[in-house]
Amino acid sequence: GENVEQHPSTLSVQEGDSAVIKCTYSDSASNYFPWYKQELGKRPQLIIDIRSNVGEKKDQRIAVTLNKTAKHFSLHITETQPEDSAVYFCAASKTYKYIFGTGTRLKVLA
Amino acid sequence: EADIYQTPRYLVIGTGKKITLECSQTMGHDKMYWYQQDPGMELHLIHYSYGVNSTEKGDLSSESTVSRIRTEHFPLTLESARPSHTSQYLCASRRGQNTEAFFGQGTRLTVV
Repeated sequence: GENVEQHPSTLSVQEGDSAVIKCTYSDSASNYFPWYKQELGKRPQLIIDIRSNVGEKKDQRIAVTLNKTAKHFSLHITETQPEDSAVYFCAASKTYKYIFGTGTRLKVLA
Repeated sequence: EADIYQTPRYLVIGTGKKITLECSQTMGHDKMYWYQQDPGMELHLIHYSYGVNSTEKGDLSSESTVSRIRTEHFPLTLESARPSHTSQYLCASRRGQNTEAFFGQGTRLTVV
């Protein structure tokens, strides 16, 4: 079946450094790739998304890149801040299904 | 206020009981989803629906059922609760394709 692999599972960075999280999907028909941030005890919320006809998208300190040939996409956070500490999930979607990656626990050290 | 609501927020129930977790959204979304998530861990798709009277099974569907009689309502039923069902259950919804999913606050279920 479809699956989304996400790496690393945990990531610690110093405040101000960059963080990169990578995902690989199996279904080549997937055409929408969102990223969600989940803070402790809260529900996941969208932080950025990219569609299959776009290779890169940026929103302030956050960027996402997509390589459809290799079936992988990445989240880049620059100038990390303590409030970026959370669990991040990638997802791949086609038509109806919405499959999430396994999650990355990001810790930004002050 | 347009949102997605889940009830109850917390539930402690005995083994073997039948339970229904409620999910309602007031955003007119056609697609709805149920996920199981242990705190901070992976989101496992249980069931999803792409419209009224249209439901599909996810990876963890074998011990539960769903119905979609109305657009705004997508309840999840566990026929016989077991301790292995102890987890958080998140409902989500979205409109159309290639769009953001909105999550409810979740139901934290404990089966004793």
